[in-house]
Amino acid sequence: AQSVTQLGSHVSVSEGALVLLRCNYSSSVPPYLFWYVQYPNQGLQLLLKYTTGATLVKGINGFEAEFKKSETSFHLTKPSAHMSDAAEYFCAVSDHNFGNEKLTFGTGTRLTIIP
Amino acid sequence: GAVVSQHPSRVICKSGTSVKIECRSLDFQATTMFWYRQFPKKSLMLMATSNEGSKATYEQGVEKDKFLINHASLTLSTLTVTSAHPEDSSFYICSARDRQGAREKLFFGSGTQLSVL
Repeated sequence: AQSVTQLGSHVSVSEGALVLLRCNYSSSVPPYLFWYVQYPNQGLQLLLKYTTGATLVKGINGFEAEFKKSETSFHLTKPSAHMSDAAEYFCAVSDHNFGNEKLTFGTGTRLTIIP
Repeated sequence: GAVVSQHPSRVICKSGTSVKIECRSLDFQATTMFWYRQFPKKSLMLMATSNEGSKATYEQGVEKDKFLINHASLTLSTLTVTSAHPEDSSFYICSARDRQGAREKLFFGSGTQLSVL
């Protein structure tokens, strides 16, 4: 079984400040890890994903995340927040058994940017 | 890039009526589509996995007769909420898997906000 825990349902940062959204996962097999962003009344857009290889993954809009197996974490960061980053962010995990890659999502973190 | 179209984006219906939500992959063939439900301030919960030409696989606790899924073609899956009740009000999102060539990606629709009066 897999699970995802996102610490902090709401995070507020000032424009230009560092963004850090936390995600810890539990998986019985080596996981695939994802971060998605959801803008109001829209579907999810993939920010980045980790499958294998380099543990520091760069995504769109200046976001990146680092897979730390020892800490079972996949925290999302961005050096400098923009107003347009305000949205809901979801961390997700899947196993990668071929043909059975179902995503398990965390409960989400709402990011607010303070002008 | 690949796009998944979900329609309608918003629907309001009376209790007891049925509502159909469509999910289309516009520029790729999707042998597998997923249907999620999202409650306010909650995460997405997978309802079912839809495979083209076969019966959908439902997650535990999801009523098959309540949420009918049809995946009749490689580009279209539909979710029908039958005899809808206020507790069915939710945000429903579909996703479609693109496995063409060397890429494999999962694309999400923009969601459908269902309100049952």
